Amino acid sequence: DAGVIQSPRHEVTEMGQEVTLRCKPISGHDYLFWYRQTMMRGLELLIYFNNNVPIDDSGMPEDRFSAKMPNASFSTLKIQPSEPRDSAVYFCASRGATDTQYFGPGTRLTVL
Amino acid sequence: QKEVEQDPGPLSVPEGAIVSLNCTYSNSAFQYFMWYRQYSRKGPELLMYTYSSGNKEDGRFTAQVDKSSKYISLFIRDSQPSDSATYLCAMSGYGNNRLAFGKGNQVVVIP
Repeated sequence: DAGVIQSPRHEVTEMGQEVTLRCKPISGHDYLFWYRQTMMRGLELLIYFNNNVPIDDSGMPEDRFSAKMPNASFSTLKIQPSEPRDSAVYFCASRGATDTQYFGPGTRLTVL
Repeated sequence: QKEVEQDPGPLSVPEGAIVSLNCTYSNSAFQYFMWYRQYSRKGPELLMYTYSSGNKEDGRFTAQVDKSSKYISLFIRDSQPSDSATYLCAMSGYGNNRLAFGKGNQVVVIP
């Protein structure tokens, strides 16, 4: 299994631009999680899905952030418009029948 | 007070030393306790998982949970340069899919 796949691995954009991060979970996993990691705040859960349905989005910082999961093998996290304070590493993780979350390699986002 | 406290200070040890890491937490509903290891520019990976007070051993790694004190620890025996990474504690409540993470400890094992 290829593990959780994220793209792009690096993204540099200018303030005000739209950013879309993509995630392909491990096949057969029914939970998908989006996290953000910064030095100041550590690893924070933004939103998670179960069977493609958003269950808890209380960690989404504001309306500029949105996430979708149109099918079991694909999810997106969109930031529109982006701001410099959104600069962070964004991780996607998936989970199957066990409690173990498997993380992707992350997308390093820099907003200038 | 944050739900999970982990002193993020970096830790440098010589090869072969014992590494000791710990976290405290405030939410008594936490039942499941994990340690994740994160290498530089990689995603976290699960290292240890436990759901009860006491010790759990896996090779050179020992996880310790003291629910009465709301305190968990990770010990690495005979540390190796390949153990150089950031170690994050994480925990969750029963039936709760949200993991609360500590900020992580960066560990450097010097050959």
